[in-house]
Amino acid sequence: DSGVTQTPKHLITATGQRVTLRCSPRSGDLSVYWYQQSLDQGLQFLIQYYNGEERAKGNILERFSAQQFPDLHSELNLSSLELGDSALYFCASSVRDINSPLHFGNGTRLTVT
Amino acid sequence: ILNVEQSPQSLHVQEGDSTNFTCSFPSSNFYALHWYRWETAKSPEALFVMTLNGDEKKKGRISATLNTKEGYSYLYIKGSQPEDSATYLCAFISNFGNEKLTFGTGTRLTIIP
Repeated sequence: DSGVTQTPKHLITATGQRVTLRCSPRSGDLSVYWYQQSLDQGLQFLIQYYNGEERAKGNILERFSAQQFPDLHSELNLSSLELGDSALYFCASSVRDINSPLHFGNGTRLTVT
Repeated sequence: ILNVEQSPQSLHVQEGDSTNFTCSFPSSNFYALHWYRWETAKSPEALFVMTLNGDEKKKGRISATLNTKEGYSYLYIKGSQPEDSATYLCAFISNFGNEKLTFGTGTRLTIIP
């Protein structure tokens, strides 16, 4: 158990809808990262937060947004969903920065129909 | 776009044999390199964080070396066991000033009993 909690585990929704994925980092970790893994693709970096502030941004679509709250949990919001957004979304946390290893949650499997 | 390549893409190794595989990354902008192990139906688990040229890290039968000047890292597994079957991912961090980890697509290792 990595200590990183992601909810929900599975999500099935229709095109055009909006969903929110939630992540609670490991106790004491200040950084939260979001990654997307689509079919036959590697882990694609979306966004990173450190202690409530956005730290780095990857290829995150404008339809997607995220935030990290004062209690350090994070939410990834996906809107105007398309079929191609179906993927496994991972959250990871680390103590402080990229010299610390990432601890991954079990992921949220999103299926857009 | 940062290119992180792992080879081979997949590997079958007899139980008891030793094996190694490669992660290649841009040598000119190195900051750090991570190795992760990803078992099927689980989440990636950190193995090593490497930052210095010539670094060698070890965890049980698994070890890794780092050559930042030529842009590669090797992961070695000695005396492979069935529980070593997993996908091994490396992640590169550049010194561009952001904290984006760029993952390779992994080497899928299968140990044949």
